[in-house]
Formats: sequence, C-alpha cells, structure tokens
Amino acid sequence: VQLVESGGGLVKPGGSLRLSCAASGFTFSTYSMNWVRQAPGKGLEWVSAISSSSNIIYYVDSVRGRFTISRDNAKNSLYLQMDSLRVEDTAVYYCARGAYSYAIDYWGQGTLVTVSS
Amino acid sequence: QSVLTQPPSVSAAPGQKVTISCSGSNSNIGNNYVSWYQQLPGTAPKLLIYDNNKRPSGIPDRFSGSKSGTSATLGITGLQTGDEADYYCGTWDSSLSAGVFGGGTKLTVL
Repeated sequence: VQLVESGGGLVKPGGSLRLSCAASGFTFSTYSMNWVRQAPGKGLEWVSAISSSSNIIYYVDSVRGRFTISRDNAKNSLYLQMDSLRVEDTAVYYCARGAYSYAIDYWGQGTLVTVSS
Repeated sequence: QSVLTQPPSVSAAPGQKVTISCSGSNSNIGNNYVSWYQQLPGTAPKLLIYDNNKRPSGIPDRFSGSKSGTSATLGITGLQTGDEADYYCGTWDSSLSAGVFGGGTKLTVL
C-alpha cells in the first residue's frame, strides 16, 4: 500500500490550493478515504472522509463550506480542494485509508500547507 | 480542545509497563470502536490497535487495547527506547458526524 500526497505549498490567506493523493498497491475503489491534518507541533485533526463510491462525505465543522473532498476511482486518486484558506489551516495534510470500524490503517507521508501573508 | 481527552505525557523505565487513557462520551467512545496510533518523531502515524483491542499484522503483542463505557486504554509492556513517541486515540463521533482524535500523549522511556 502506498499513498503519495502532492500539491502543498505556500498560499496567502483567502487563497486556494488543491491537494492530490495517488494510491497504489490496493483496490482503491473499495476503500473509504480520509484527509487528516496536523498543525506544527500540534496533534492530529480529522478533516474529511469520502466513501468508496463518493456517495457519503463528511467534514469537520471548521472546513465545511470551504473544503471539498473528491476521488477518481479510475485514476486511483483522492483530492482535497481547499478554498478561502485561513492561517489556522496551516498544517501537514495526510491522505489516509479507512479500514475496519472508523480506523485508519495506512497513511501517506504528508504534504505541508502554509497559509501566510 | 480535543473531543477525546488523553494525558499530555506518561513515562516509565525500560522493561516496565505503561497505560495511556482516552476519555470520551456516549456519542463517540461509548458507541463506536476505538483505534490507537503511534507517531514517531518526524513520521506519519501508524495504526497500533483497531476495533478497541485488535492488532494489525506486524504489531507486537506488547501493545494492547481495551474499552469500558466511555473510556479506552492503551497498554504497552516491556517498554523499549524505540517506543518513545506520541500516541493518539481515535474514533467516530455520531453526534458530530466526524472523526475525532485525542490530543495525544507523549511517551518517554526513561
């Protein structure tokens, strides 16, 4: 199993960024997927989840209406469109595979998003 | 402030046992399965325990999990210096319709 995130970088407050996650080594279309973030020096924060067929989507309150999770099962890819970014969105964003009951069994290496003027 | 409450730090000597608690409510731990994660410095988290007390393949039986009511506990026996890491509990919160994690516990092996 391999999860490789890309798309992070430096963006100004109010700006947008799109994160991507390339999945390999498993049947991507049969697993739910998550985004989890970690602000510098802080703990883990679950951000969003999407079911295997994209029919069920959840967000943490702090990003609902600003972030959009999506997936392309034909391309084995997960995405996170982040709009209206705030300084407090600065974090390492992990792509993570859902498994068992509400657990996450594989994590990517993370991509750093920095929101600063 | 995290939905799940963990002690900020615990410590013990090599070879000893340590437990890490995770306290929640009926909307999360009380009615959903708990998982535990280990995060070594500078690395991504790693799943240690799922479904309250099950270990993924490759996780040694020195690591154990339990749940009672609205609290869960991670136990680590035969502590090694390589166990020094941050440990997080996680579950689903049915009221929030969101995943939740504890604030993390830093384990120091003295």
